[in-house]
Amino acid sequence: KQEVTQIPAALSVPEGENLVLNCSFTDSAIYNLQWFRQDPGKGLTSLLLIQSSQREQTSGRLNASLDKSSGRSTLYIAASQPGDSATYLCAASSEKLVFGKGMKLTVNP
Amino acid sequence: NAGVMQNPRHLVRRRGQEARLRCSPMKGHSHVYWYRQLPEEGLKFMVYLQKENIIDESGMPKERFSAEFPKEGPSILRIQQVVRGDSAAYFCASHKTGGPSPPNEKLFFGSGTQLSVL
Repeated sequence: KQEVTQIPAALSVPEGENLVLNCSFTDSAIYNLQWFRQDPGKGLTSLLLIQSSQREQTSGRLNASLDKSSGRSTLYIAASQPGDSATYLCAASSEKLVFGKGMKLTVNP
Repeated sequence: NAGVMQNPRHLVRRRGQEARLRCSPMKGHSHVYWYRQLPEEGLKFMVYLQKENIIDESGMPKERFSAEFPKEGPSILRIQQVVRGDSAAYFCASHKTGGPSPPNEKLFFGSGTQLSVL
């Protein structure tokens, strides 16, 4: 049974820092690994999708890497801004799309 | 091109009543997922539907919960005889193509329905 873990559950940083968000999963037999952003009271917005055959994906200030053998994915956020404040969820796609509980990020001006 | 539309945004029901949650997928999308999110919890898969067909309902409670996606109209998640434990945010997501569950492409989410059971 796939389990996805995100640690820490919350992170508060000053503006401008480069950030690393971690995601681990127990079953390496995945189709893809996805990162989402959720703003309070809103749905999820897909940020990046990494296919199982890929090592990383980039979009603007975001870069996500995938290491299937170790069951880990990392989301890098460069030069963080207050507008990046949100909850970030990762999801591993195997038999089901299994979500972690998310990491609440606060970027302080 | 409107995104995934869910309504109502907020739904209040008393114990024992029925709750109907609606989801209209993005234009051209024929596959819909329903997820439930409890406070401080991740999203939990409930059901995966194609038009007129339930592909996977393994995440849905066996009693009181049902889902449909008719040929015409939105997908409906129905909860009968609601209890306080049903209070949660319910999210719908859609994607375009068929294939294995889950899809190897991005999902598009609605803004959710917050169900509160009094």
